[in-house]
Amino acid sequence: QKEVEQNSGPLSVPEGAIASLNCTYSDRGSQSFFWYRQYSGKSPELIMSIYSNGDKEDGRFTAQLNKASQYVSLLIRDSQPSDSATYLCAVNGESGTYKYIFGTGTRLKVLA
Amino acid sequence: GAGVSQTPSNKVTEKGKDVELRCDPISGHTALYWYRQSLGQGLEFLIYFQGNSAPDKSGLPSDRFSAERTGGSVSTLKIQRTERGDSAVYLCASSLTGLDGDTQYFGPGTRLTVL
Repeated sequence: QKEVEQNSGPLSVPEGAIASLNCTYSDRGSQSFFWYRQYSGKSPELIMSIYSNGDKEDGRFTAQLNKASQYVSLLIRDSQPSDSATYLCAVNGESGTYKYIFGTGTRLKVLA
Repeated sequence: GAGVSQTPSNKVTEKGKDVELRCDPISGHTALYWYRQSLGQGLEFLIYFQGNSAPDKSGLPSDRFSAERTGGSVSTLKIQRTERGDSAVYLCASSLTGLDGDTQYFGPGTRLTVL
């Protein structure tokens, strides 16, 4: 059974701090990785995608991928109360296919 | 429309009744996905369409669940003889090609409550 694991949280950080969200996956063949943000009662929205080892930065968000260790992380710099949400990690379940496996999400609370 | 739309946004039904949930994907997207999200849980894959074909129905929980897609666009998820355990948010997503690396864009979901 291919799995994507996330700490459910809540992860609480003060406003202005760096929030670090982690995700591990079981399938070594996975090639595509996504972070989605989901506000309570809303649908997931894409934050970042990453396909190569290393860091990818977009504004206050940085995705980090380490395929050897099978983890992907999301850093949020200068965290804002509006960043409070559940962050879902999604991993391509089978290389070359559409099938993404979602983690159960980490709930982030940014304290003003 | 600009995004994925789903109707109805909320559906309350009685145990044993049939329901139909509708999804309108982003125009031009060939791939369409249905997921189910129970309270506090992750997304559970139900079915994937490429055009009008459903090459993967492996996530459908039972034969009470079925889905179809017509004209390579609108999709309908049908649940027959609903059970209380079917209560969840049903999310539809679409992507341009359905290939590895393609971003999935989600609709607002339909919240189904079975009394």
